[in-house]
Amino acid sequence: DAKTTQPPSMDCAEGRAANLPCNHSTISGNEYVYWYRQIHSQGPQYIIHGLKNNETNEMASLIITEDRKSSTLILPHATLRDTAVYYCIVRVQTGGSYIPTFGRGTSLIVHP
Amino acid sequence: DAGVIQSPRHEVTEMGQEVTLRCKPISGHDYLFWYRQTMMRGLELLIYFNNNVPIDDSGMPEDRFSAKMPNASFSTLKIQPSEPRDSAVYFCASSLAGADLRYEQFFGPGTRLTVL
Repeated sequence: DAKTTQPPSMDCAEGRAANLPCNHSTISGNEYVYWYRQIHSQGPQYIIHGLKNNETNEMASLIITEDRKSSTLILPHATLRDTAVYYCIVRVQTGGSYIPTFGRGTSLIVHP
Repeated sequence: DAGVIQSPRHEVTEMGQEVTLRCKPISGHDYLFWYRQTMMRGLELLIYFNNNVPIDDSGMPEDRFSAKMPNASFSTLKIQPSEPRDSAVYFCASSLAGADLRYEQFFGPGTRLTVL
């Protein structure tokens, strides 16, 4: 099963891009990379996912390296409300179903 | 849709008491998950259901914990008897499963349980 490695914490200035890295060197060819975030005292919230192509939505962009061993979540213009714990997840197959396993994530602090 | 609904939002109880947490998933979702979050262990998957059937309960810590899903719109997580180490935030989540198993999980607001 693929595991992920993320830095425990990062900080970013408001209005600047936040680039959150994730290593998943043992990822399999059919495993997706998902990103969730958890704002204090709330449940985790889905951000974006991808397989091998770069993806963009209204919240963020996901850049996956060609060898798929790492990825970067980009918040193009971070705001104070983006302060949260960000989880990079590779779906893990359990009993025939694909269930995400949440690690410790990266605590992102956006400062004024 | 109101999203995933959990009740109660906060529960304070004494050691040895029975605790029941409730969850209403998003209508039409066929997967339901129960998670527990603590500072020490992070976010842990306890059990999940597919079409009301428990699929994997390997994350349930011990026999004091049990979960049921009597129908597609309701699930419970019960702790009997409760212990102080069960204090945590319990999240319920639901999702669809697409043909290629791509999906996102929608989480409820959580129930903060304190066992004295």
